[in-house]
Amino acid sequence: DVILTQSPLSLPVTLGQPASISCRSGQSPVSSDGHTYLNWFHQRPGQSPRRLIYKVSNRDSGVPDRFSGSGSGTDFTLKISRVEAEDVGIYYCMQGTHWPYTFGQGTKLEIK
Amino acid sequence: EAQLVESGGGLVQPGRSLRLSCVGSGLTFSNYAVHWVRQAPGKGLEWVSGIYWAGGGTGYADSVKGRFTMSRDKAKNSVYLQMNSLRPEDTALYYCGYDLTPGGLESWGQGTQVTVSS
Repeated sequence: DVILTQSPLSLPVTLGQPASISCRSGQSPVSSDGHTYLNWFHQRPGQSPRRLIYKVSNRDSGVPDRFSGSGSGTDFTLKISRVEAEDVGIYYCMQGTHWPYTFGQGTKLEIK
Repeated sequence: EAQLVESGGGLVQPGRSLRLSCVGSGLTFSNYAVHWVRQAPGKGLEWVSGIYWAGGGTGYADSVKGRFTMSRDKAKNSVYLQMNSLRPEDTALYYCGYDLTPGGLESWGQGTQVTVSS
């Protein structure tokens, strides 16, 4: 199985400040078709996860442009340029290249 | 509005069985795969199983292999998760998820709660 390791696991951030979450993969999530199916999800309390970023760096429809994804090989990053109150919750990276799909442990973002 | 609707959860004793259902409402399963992902109380997301819609091939997490079986009914636009020999550690909110694109898991249902307890 592909192990995804996120850091930090807890992320207190002041409103308006940037935030960054790292996701390291135990093996390359590059598919045989050349794509890297590394996604980022956000889950608010009591809600289902919502995908924010797909294939490393592509924002889903309706996702604010303050969110960006980057990375290659086995190191990936989610960045929020200026944190807003609605960004609180848990962020997960996920790889959909290899079965079983695997998720990182989750990073809890809270407002200081 | 296109959505996934899960049902079939409940309270069940250890060793018993339960069958979960997921139907696409306003969303027709076609290519790629449909999945079950669970979340134990206060814990992270764990992929449980998946089924390729076209060919029916399935995959399972080691934690459920041999106990859970996933299937699909194309006519009903539905997938199912037959869960046998349930254990307390299977207690979780079970989400149905769909790959609109390969590896995408874009679409999620609201989840159905499974509690295994005597």
